[in-house]
Amino acid sequence: SQLAEENLWALSVHEGESVTVNCSYKTSITALQWYRQKSGEGPAQLILIRSNEREKRNGRLRATLDTSSQSSSLSITATRCEDTAVYFCATDDTGYQNFYFGKGTSLTVIP
Amino acid sequence: NAGVIQTPRHKVTGKGQEATLWCEPISGHSAVFWYRQTIVQGLEFLTYFRNQAPIDDSGMPKERFSAQMPNQSHSTLKIQSTQPQDSAVYLCASSSGLGGRGQDTQYFGPGTRLLVL
Repeated sequence: SQLAEENLWALSVHEGESVTVNCSYKTSITALQWYRQKSGEGPAQLILIRSNEREKRNGRLRATLDTSSQSSSLSITATRCEDTAVYFCATDDTGYQNFYFGKGTSLTVIP
Repeated sequence: NAGVIQTPRHKVTGKGQEATLWCEPISGHSAVFWYRQTIVQGLEFLTYFRNQAPIDDSGMPKERFSAQMPNQSHSTLKIQSTQPQDSAVYLCASSSGLGGRGQDTQYFGPGTRLLVL
């Protein structure tokens, strides 16, 4: 079963708009990571947010973590065409030291 | 820093042939991971080495798949008697290995796209 999953398969926005991708998870975690994968490339980490943190920023990116609802969000402001990619959340499992990726949300930024 | 290097980038094999995929982790990284990515299954964990020792191979299919890390500079994933369902992008990642998996950043290579005809 999927222990981390994004809530949408795909979405699109126009350049300059803001967008939020959501993720839910099913276990107790030590941290949650957001990755981005552009076409033809491997995933690249965007943000790592620890279980005792509620928010983390990285430039135009902002991640939140709500451990009570076991959910996280990644917001991108002032989107650019180069933000077009698949966005994954990934979490560990404090019990078994495993690491799981969601299936990803495909974001298209329209010029 | 060249990042994680994977070779070949593309490989086409006939059904029943063997495929060997190579990964060179980032210098100084002690953890190496292998994943398989398909549209249907997404990113699936296969196996994980730390300091060249196999730590977790819970994602590896029990038959035909094997992985090794003979030295700190490369790892191989071997698929024997390839089948069409093995067609996928195989991704290698490395990390410093200093933290648990959840708190350690994984740096991915570009992947090897395997097509089994």
